[in-house]
Amino acid sequence: LAKTTQPISMDSYEGQEVNITCSHNNIATNDYITWYQQFPSQGPRFIIQGYKTKVTNEVASLFIPADRKSSTLSLPRVSLSDTAVYYCLVGVINQAGTALIFGKGTTLSVSS
Amino acid sequence: GAVVSQHPSRVICKSGTSVKIECRSLDFQATTMFWYRQFPKQSLMLMATSNEGSKATYEQGVEKDKFLINHASLTLSTLTVTSAHPEDSSFYICSASRTSGTSSYNEQFFGPGTRLTVL
Repeated sequence: LAKTTQPISMDSYEGQEVNITCSHNNIATNDYITWYQQFPSQGPRFIIQGYKTKVTNEVASLFIPADRKSSTLSLPRVSLSDTAVYYCLVGVINQAGTALIFGKGTTLSVSS
Repeated sequence: GAVVSQHPSRVICKSGTSVKIECRSLDFQATTMFWYRQFPKQSLMLMATSNEGSKATYEQGVEKDKFLINHASLTLSTLTVTSAHPEDSSFYICSASRTSGTSSYNEQFFGPGTRLTVL
């Protein structure tokens, strides 16, 4: 399984754009990249997933360079409610029933 | 969207007792469910993989006789913490894997977690 490295913590203010970068130097060809969000005392919640280039949904964008050795989660105009832990995971897309292995995650703190 | 529930959401028990936690996939069938444990300010740690109708696969260092897992149906997996002790106090989270259509795309959905406190 590809190991991921993220910053331990980040601070931001309301209304700013936040970019969290994840390194996954030994990502395999069949691996995809997924980001989860976790609030205290809750289960992780899926944010976004991608394989290459750029993916955008209603809450975030995911940028993946051509070499796929890193990825950046972009949260536009964060609010206080975006304060959470964000996990970057790398896993095989075509293996149903494969466990997700969580790294340490990035604790994002948004202030007013 | 796919929903996974856990029951109870919070439990307090005395040392030496056993506690059962249920994980249900409410609107899909889950051949595989996973159990994680999370200590304060730490990441989720995978405890075991639970496959319907077969024995669970435990991660290294997780005692299978202490953490009993049963996956008797495609929508229900249970984790029983036997003879619980204060060091077992933690946040237990399950996830359920759904096969998307005819593909083997790995979709996983997490439950809300169960806070176990052993006195």
